[in-house]
Parts: sequence; C-alpha cells; structure tokens
Amino acid sequence: ETGVTQTPRHLVMGMTNKKSLKCEQHLGHNAMYWYKQSAKKPLELMFVYSLEERVENNSVPSRFSPECPNSSHLFLHLHTLQPEDSALYLCASSFRTGGGELFFGEGSRLTVL
Amino acid sequence: KNEVEQSPQNLTAQEGEFITINCSYSVGISALHWLQQHPGGGIVSLFMLSSGKKKHGRLIATINIQEKHSSLHITASHPRDSAVYICAVSNTDKLIFGTGTRLQVFP
Repeated sequence: ETGVTQTPRHLVMGMTNKKSLKCEQHLGHNAMYWYKQSAKKPLELMFVYSLEERVENNSVPSRFSPECPNSSHLFLHLHTLQPEDSALYLCASSFRTGGGELFFGEGSRLTVL
Repeated sequence: KNEVEQSPQNLTAQEGEFITINCSYSVGISALHWLQQHPGGGIVSLFMLSSGKKKHGRLIATINIQEKHSSLHITASHPRDSAVYICAVSNTDKLIFGTGTRLQVFP
C-alpha cells in the first residue's frame, strides 16, 4: 500500500467510448503524474501537475485529457482511443516536482478494442 | 540508445542465490532510483540514492557517480522477490527510466 489509489484497475473500451481513470492520494503531496507503460518499453511520462497546475505535457495526443481538481485527485479522461493506446496507465505522486521520491498507484490496465 | 540501460533484461535464479542487477546511465543526475514492479502492476520505490550505498533488509543498492553505474543486490533471494526491477535517474526535473529487469526466483 503506497497511499496512491487508482480506479478502475482494469478497463476495456471501444474506440468510440468515453471513459475516465481516477487517481487519489492523501499523502500531502503537491505533485501528481500520469505515466504510460507499454510492453517492453520504459515508462513514459504523460502529464505532470504541481499544485493543481499542469507543468508538463509530453506531446500527448489530445484524445487523452487530464484534470486535476485539487492536489489529492487526478483524472485522465479518455476519448476516441486507438488500439495502440492499450497499456498500463500509472499514477504517481511526490512531495514536489524535481526528481524526488515517487509513490505509484497500482495502475489501470486499459484495453482498447 | 537509451539514456538508462539495465542488464540483464531477464534473470532467473534459484532460491537462496545472490542476485545482481546493473544500471548504467549516460546523463547527469541528481539521484538514482530503484523501483520494484510486481505482476499486478503497482510500483514500489526501493531506494533513492545519490552516492555510496544503501541497505534495506536483504536489498543493497550502490552507486558509482564517476562511472555512471549502479547495482542492486539481493541476498538470499526468495520467490517473493520475483518482480521487474526498474532503474530510473533524476535528470533536471524529470525521471528517465530503464526498461527493467525481469527477475524470477524459483524454489
């Protein structure tokens, strides 16, 4: 138990669906992250939020839309995804941005049909 | 070529064996992280170090800044150590990850 909770753990969706991934942390951290993990590839940073402001967007397609309503919650809204978007999506948090220790959630495994 | 390289990619061991996983990097770093990912997907931070050596239970992590190299050692390995071990480096304000080493320990 790392203190970072992700839901759902598994999601199957069609290319025309709209769904959302949720991440929650009550560690008092100010930074939250979305990572994508595809088979045999390193973790890819998608988005970084610091104090609810997006500070980094690593050229992620607009079909992925993040939302950070407060410092404890982070969402990833999914719309018209492609099969190649199937992956494990990991949320993480840290006290601050800048390379400190990360606390990861269990991940949401997404399958796009 | 990845900025963070791990070796080996896959490793099998018999219970009780001493295990070493290596990580080399080619960028300037402020810290190096060792992470453990179990089959369910969740990732746990094992170590964050910027010099020398750290020990936690049966796990030992070392780093040589001059050689840009780190090792993760597991003493008296156990089947529950089976996981993917990921090396990551803090470079400016971001983390750069290796592709991981998949370890399987058999009884």
